[in-house]
Amino acid sequence: DPKIIQKPKYLVAVTGSEKILICEQYLGHNAMYWYRQSAKKPLEFMFSYSYQKLMDNQTASSRFQPQSSKKNHLDLQITALKPDDSATYFCASSHDWGFYAEQFFGPGTRLTVL
Amino acid sequence: GDSVTQTEGPVTLSEGTSLTVNCSYETKQYPTLFWYVQYPGEGPQLLFKVPKANEKGSSRGFEATYNKEATSFHLQKASVQESDSAVYYCALSDRDNNNRIFFGDGTQLVVKP
Repeated sequence: DPKIIQKPKYLVAVTGSEKILICEQYLGHNAMYWYRQSAKKPLEFMFSYSYQKLMDNQTASSRFQPQSSKKNHLDLQITALKPDDSATYFCASSHDWGFYAEQFFGPGTRLTVL
Repeated sequence: GDSVTQTEGPVTLSEGTSLTVNCSYETKQYPTLFWYVQYPGEGPQLLFKVPKANEKGSSRGFEATYNKEATSFHLQKASVQESDSAVYYCALSDRDNNNRIFFGDGTQLVVKP
């Protein structure tokens, strides 16, 4: 059974719209993350959470808002979508939040903005 | 800031030949170093990590030694298989940057039968 679920797998949106990317992990981990993968930047850190608290944010734009309703959920809301937001978004988790921590990645959501 | 530089791909090899993917890093701290592998349509998977200088990590026949003096973490495998075809990412994490992982640009490996 998949341990990190991301929904949907593929998403097409129009410029200016809003979408929510879903992530749930069933590994019992306490820290969760979002990364973005595009042609320009292969794997780029976006956010990290530990026990549902924001620990780090490397996304310049406030259009990207993580939402953690439960310890094992970390969704990503993206508003006012732009074609440049087209990328694959990966959710990851680790047992603890630390520089030694092994992060496990989900299968990704591929977002295309037209 | 932290950075990771690795061999530019694609690297094309025949089955049974040896692999070296170079990785150099820059950081002011003492990082944990990682190698991740990504297969098409999947998220990256941890191959192994090495938290301490001068130690070696290994998994599935791949290995790398954390060389603090040379700031390198080269990935090697003695004999590659077609199933090793994937993209390999060298990465680091340290305290100074809130424990986030910095990834290199990735090296695509293509192994021909």
